Amino acid sequence: AQSVTQLGSHVSVSEGALVLLRCNYSSSVPPYLFWYVQYPNQGLQLLLKYTTGATLVKGINGFEAEFKKSETSFHLTKPSAHMSDAAEYFCAVTTRGNNNDMRFGAGTRLTVKP
Amino acid sequence: DTGVSQDPRHKITKRGQNVTFRCDPISEHNRLYWYRQTLGQGPEFLTYFQNEAQLEKSRLLSDRFSAERPKGSFSTLEIQRTEQGDSAMYLCASSSPLQGAGQPQHFGDGTRLSIL
Repeated sequence: AQSVTQLGSHVSVSEGALVLLRCNYSSSVPPYLFWYVQYPNQGLQLLLKYTTGATLVKGINGFEAEFKKSETSFHLTKPSAHMSDAAEYFCAVTTRGNNNDMRFGAGTRLTVKP
Repeated sequence: DTGVSQDPRHKITKRGQNVTFRCDPISEHNRLYWYRQTLGQGPEFLTYFQNEAQLEKSRLLSDRFSAERPKGSFSTLEIQRTEQGDSAMYLCASSSPLQGAGQPQHFGDGTRLSIL
């Protein structure tokens, strides 16, 4: 079955600095990849997704991610962190043949320092 | 689009009691999912419905867990004879019936269960 690994359970950046959250996937067939954000005591909100086509995907709140098949990666970036970006971020994967079996990573907690 | 709604938001109960949670999906979504999320972890898939049919239930955590979606709209998740280890956030999600590439799942705010 497909899976994702998020490297780094905690990431801390200064306000205005680059945000980089790492995600590597494992799948025997072409994956569909997602990034979600979760604020305390709330559900998950979709940031962006990759299915097919352009490998650089832009999402909400200035985030983007690049699908790199050769590296089996789907890292999330934002050029300039804002205090409101502090949250938990989850990478997830499904596949075309099993679109309903979504597997999540363990999450990365992003802290933004003033 | 009123989003996925879950009720209650918090449930505190004694060990051994039964609990039931409700999920109302986005109205035009025919697919509904239940997940469990424990502290510091990502959501863990439990079960999935397409309309009223429960198409995947092998990953329910034990036979104490059951889910229904009798009319293909709202769904309930029941845990019988609760145990300490059942304390977690239970998340519901729904997705569009559109075929094709990776329809995202839309999540509710969850029900946090605490077992005393």
